[in-house]
Amino acid sequence: EVQLLESGGGLVQPGGSLRLSCAASGFTFGGGYTMSWVRQAPGKGLEWVSSISGSGGSTYYADSVKGRFTVSRDNSKNTLFLQMNSLRAEDTAVYYCAKVDGDLIMFGELIVEGQPFFDSWGQGTLVTVSS
Amino acid sequence: EIVLTQSPGTLSLSPGDGATLSCRASQSVSSSYLAWYQQKPGQPPRLLIYGASSRATGIPDRFSGSGSGTDFTLTISRLEPEDFAVYYCQQFGGSQFTFGPGTKVDIK
Repeated sequence: EVQLLESGGGLVQPGGSLRLSCAASGFTFGGGYTMSWVRQAPGKGLEWVSSISGSGGSTYYADSVKGRFTVSRDNSKNTLFLQMNSLRAEDTAVYYCAKVDGDLIMFGELIVEGQPFFDSWGQGTLVTVSS
Repeated sequence: EIVLTQSPGTLSLSPGDGATLSCRASQSVSSSYLAWYQQKPGQPPRLLIYGASSRATGIPDRFSGSGSGTDFTLTISRLEPEDFAVYYCQQFGGSQFTFGPGTKVDIK
């Protein structure tokens, strides 16, 4: 059974930084699965934030976080990360770690292996940006 | 960026009713890249349908998906009490994922 456990959320002031982690188990983390972060502001819908290919060589970001957030992964430790800098009030949300059923690889052009949907989700970690 | 629009925003129905949820894309979406999720309060989303019409593992056959191009539909044939939730469609294109705003199915 796939398990994804997020951590690192909390209260941070505007302009501050936070690093989220997602510990994965129940599947071959380094086995060619793109991992993603999806967030949900209080009472709002789902917003994709960022994804990283199975090898870590390709990264993708929503325009709303590009230049401020950095996604990375450590396949030796089965862990996904999201470094969030220059945080704003509008970044307040529950951040979910999600596994893609396949791999998205940028090699000159985008290569999609498998299907780009989220087949497993963590329980989420709350990030609150407020002074 | 492909924008997804879902209608209606809220659907008020009774257990046993059928439900038809719509997802419309601002430009054509590959059917292989269209999915539906169910989310209940305090829980993460759960994958229901992928590839526009394939049910995910463990999803009851009262859930079905259809459509192509820019118009996609999630149908729930007979609502069970546990089906009252928010439903989101999602697509992948241009190296980005996007979600629709959701349709809330609540008890009439």
